[in-house]
Amino acid sequence: EAGVTQFPSHSVIEKGQTVTLRCDPISGHDNLYWYRRVMGKEIKFLLHFVKESKQDESGMPNNRFLAERTGGTYSTLKVQPAELEDSGVYFCASQGVGYAEQYFGPGTRLTVT
Amino acid sequence: DAKTTQPPSMDCAEGRAANLPCNHSTISGNEYVYWYRQIHSQGPQYIIHGLKNNETNEMASLIITEDRKSSTLILPHATLRDTAVYYCIVSVTSYDKVIFGPGTSLSVIP
Repeated sequence: EAGVTQFPSHSVIEKGQTVTLRCDPISGHDNLYWYRRVMGKEIKFLLHFVKESKQDESGMPNNRFLAERTGGTYSTLKVQPAELEDSGVYFCASQGVGYAEQYFGPGTRLTVT
Repeated sequence: DAKTTQPPSMDCAEGRAANLPCNHSTISGNEYVYWYRQIHSQGPQYIIHGLKNNETNEMASLIITEDRKSSTLILPHATLRDTAVYYCIVSVTSYDKVIFGPGTSLSVIP
């Protein structure tokens, strides 16, 4: 069974540009989460999808971040326009119904210059 | 904010048991104790969880004190690949955000 995949693995963009991160959860997992770790800080929750619905988006830092999960399969996280403080590693995790644990992807390292 | 406290770092000799403590003195009766770890440059990885009974799986054992205010994660025979940051988390439900604290950085020494 394939794990959680994220694309790209690394993205370098200039301040003011737009970047879209993609997460493919484990097939059949209804729950999908986004987290990020900025330099020197702890991993922080961003939002939680149940299928295509946003269950909890309390961790989204501001309206420059837009997450979608059309059709309840893969998810995208768009940052527009990117700022320097958005640099960090963005993790996606998925969880199936009846499973206690979240399965994390390898992360996307975003560098804003 | 994380509701657990862990030592910032620990060392363990390769082949020996690694015992990682966690305090969660404000844990509620319906909160589980979860452990995850993050090996350098990888995504966090689930290890084990429990409510009040001790638990064991192929990766580790979890010992929860009777009053549930603290727990210990045990890696029975630590290897170099177990070098990672270990996170102790309490959570009411399974389908909830994971609140990561600073964790314990475990270094397994050859």
